[in-house]
Amino acid sequence: GAVVSQHPSWVICKSGTSVKIECRSLDFQATTMFWYRQFPKQSLMLMATSNEGSKATYEQGVEKDKFLINHASLTLSTLTVTSAHPEDSSFYICSARVPPTLHSNQPQHFGDGTRLSIL
Amino acid sequence: DAKTTQPPSMDCAEGRAANLPCNHSTISGNEYVYWYRQIHSQGPQYIIHGLKNNETNEMASLIITEDRKSSTLILPHATLRDTAVYYCIVRVGAGTASKLTFGTGTRLQVTL
Repeated sequence: GAVVSQHPSWVICKSGTSVKIECRSLDFQATTMFWYRQFPKQSLMLMATSNEGSKATYEQGVEKDKFLINHASLTLSTLTVTSAHPEDSSFYICSARVPPTLHSNQPQHFGDGTRLSIL
Repeated sequence: DAKTTQPPSMDCAEGRAANLPCNHSTISGNEYVYWYRQIHSQGPQYIIHGLKNNETNEMASLIITEDRKSSTLILPHATLRDTAVYYCIVRVGAGTASKLTFGTGTRLQVTL
């Protein structure tokens, strides 16, 4: 089945640094990818929708200058957390949807997430 | 956008069927019902989806009521590895704007 790979799976860095997370669709081309964030004991919250070749669409309350998204190819989207601070510590999960055929009901597949800890 | 309501937690004995309910009374005619699960510290795993007919795959069965206002995910023989949070989601929008919005899900605990 469709596989989404996310890297790194775990990162610890100092406050003020920038961290890049990669999301790859391994066996399909994804024109659309999604980035979610999950805090402990909470559900997934959609941050932004990434479309190949165009600007990402951010959900309300998500700072686009803080969370930079690049979707330069059909198999790769990146999320960069700029000038990260302890409150940005979270579990970040990407997702990609198999391109629609006649119907827009293809499932999304998720990566295994990146646990980000800012000291 | 249709919202879903699920019980916060359920228990199931290993080997028995786990029946997870979901209410989506405001679902519209062209919205699909999706089920995902999330095992601790992993990304969500797709299980099954359907529009109005019952669906079955190697993981589970999905039963959707005739009025489509509720559905039930059935794991026919639950194992300890099925312990996870199960999310019932109604697909929002259509085409490239379509996205999955997660609720709080049901925490299923499978016990010996």
